[in-house]
Amino acid sequence: SQKIEQNSEALNIQEGKTATLTCNYTNYSPAYLQWYRQDPGRGPVFLLLIRENEKEKRKERLKVTFDTTLKQSLFHITASQPADSATYLCALSTGTASKLTFGTGTRLQVTL
Amino acid sequence: GAVVSQHPSRVICKSGTSVKIECRSLDFQATTMFWYRQFPKKSLMLMATSNEGSKATYEQGVEKDKFLINHASLTLSTLTVTSAHPEDSSFYICSARDILGRGLGYTFGSGTRLTVV
Repeated sequence: SQKIEQNSEALNIQEGKTATLTCNYTNYSPAYLQWYRQDPGRGPVFLLLIRENEKEKRKERLKVTFDTTLKQSLFHITASQPADSATYLCALSTGTASKLTFGTGTRLQVTL
Repeated sequence: GAVVSQHPSRVICKSGTSVKIECRSLDFQATTMFWYRQFPKKSLMLMATSNEGSKATYEQGVEKDKFLINHASLTLSTLTVTSAHPEDSSFYICSARDILGRGLGYTFGSGTRLTVV
């Protein structure tokens, strides 16, 4: 069966450092991989989307890589700030309007 | 940007009663909306795909008679939890994407915290 794992349930880093989150999947051939941010008691908020034929995407302090050979995506937040503290979810789909399958999530805590 | 309004944000109901949750796309239309369930500190589990004008598609293991979905218009989908029991207590979230394909990703509602007592 399909499995999407985010390697750390929780990640603590110091302000100013780069946070790197990992998303690994098995038994899946996604065409799209997305990253979302979720704050407690709220719905997820879309951050970035990367296609299977793309290696890297950037948006401001965010960077996503996608390696379909390794079946892995890395999500980086550079110059992290306490306001970046949240749960980050990766999600895979086979089409832009297809259902999303979510990973297990990583709770990021950025401290001063 | 695209906004999805979900209502109510919190509801407490007695065992055996039914609860309706609404999901509205405010500034776009969606032929498809998705309903998720989330347990504390767990990820989102897709329950069903709501299709405008036709029957919803339920994920394996989700009881369609218990979780009734209606998608009567291009901007509104509803999830009704029928004969609710304490084990139905959870965080329910809907999402949608613009029918015109504007923007990337999906827009999620703010969620509904259901507590069945």
